[in-house]
Amino acid sequence: DAGITQSPRHKVTETGTPVTLRCHQTENHRYMYWYRQDPGHGLRLIHYSYGVKDTDKGEVSDGYSVSRSKTEDFLLTLESATSSQTSVYFCAISLGTSGSEQYFGPGTRLTVT
Amino acid sequence: GQNIDQPTEMTATEGAIVQINCTYQTSGFNGLFWYQQHAGEAPTFLSYNVLDGLEEKGRFSSFLSRSKGYSYLLLKELQMKDSASYLCAVRERGGSQGNLIFGKGTKLSVKP
Repeated sequence: DAGITQSPRHKVTETGTPVTLRCHQTENHRYMYWYRQDPGHGLRLIHYSYGVKDTDKGEVSDGYSVSRSKTEDFLLTLESATSSQTSVYFCAISLGTSGSEQYFGPGTRLTVT
Repeated sequence: GQNIDQPTEMTATEGAIVQINCTYQTSGFNGLFWYQQHAGEAPTFLSYNVLDGLEEKGRFSSFLSRSKGYSYLLLKELQMKDSASYLCAVRERGGSQGNLIFGKGTKLSVKP
């Protein structure tokens, strides 16, 4: 399972509330990613990190922020959740070299009511 | 722009062979990946191609033609457990900019 955990695994929250999702890895990989997966859209990159305190935006970053203060943790924050952010969120890690695949965490199902 | 196309759904029979196609148009190319995703689970890595040709791994093979922007995943001796979605993904560039762009996935149903 590449040593990736996500918490919480399920969450229901109300519109306008802040939400933080956590991704934790135990294998010291440099690269970490946050994706969302929605029917009809596939996996879309939200933000990624290429080291401690080094992050960048992905395809669908609006409404999301991230932080990486330690190698093992990558946090995704929804400052004010909206119903359009109801989705399944996956964290992934990789070695970052050209041929290296990404390994995915188990996912977090977030429902914003 | 970026575009990765796969069929939305496919159906095949247990024991048969199925080919899932993927075409891509991206601004760069630094490798193509196939993932398997069972319903309610995370994607798992299946194969990687960066040079033209066929890569074989057990019952699964993946083919790449860079000049045609085309790949396929070949599944042989289909089993019921192969019922899943199959995701094609392209890496446009290497290094820190080498993020994956995913297609929408192909849902494969294997019937007895």
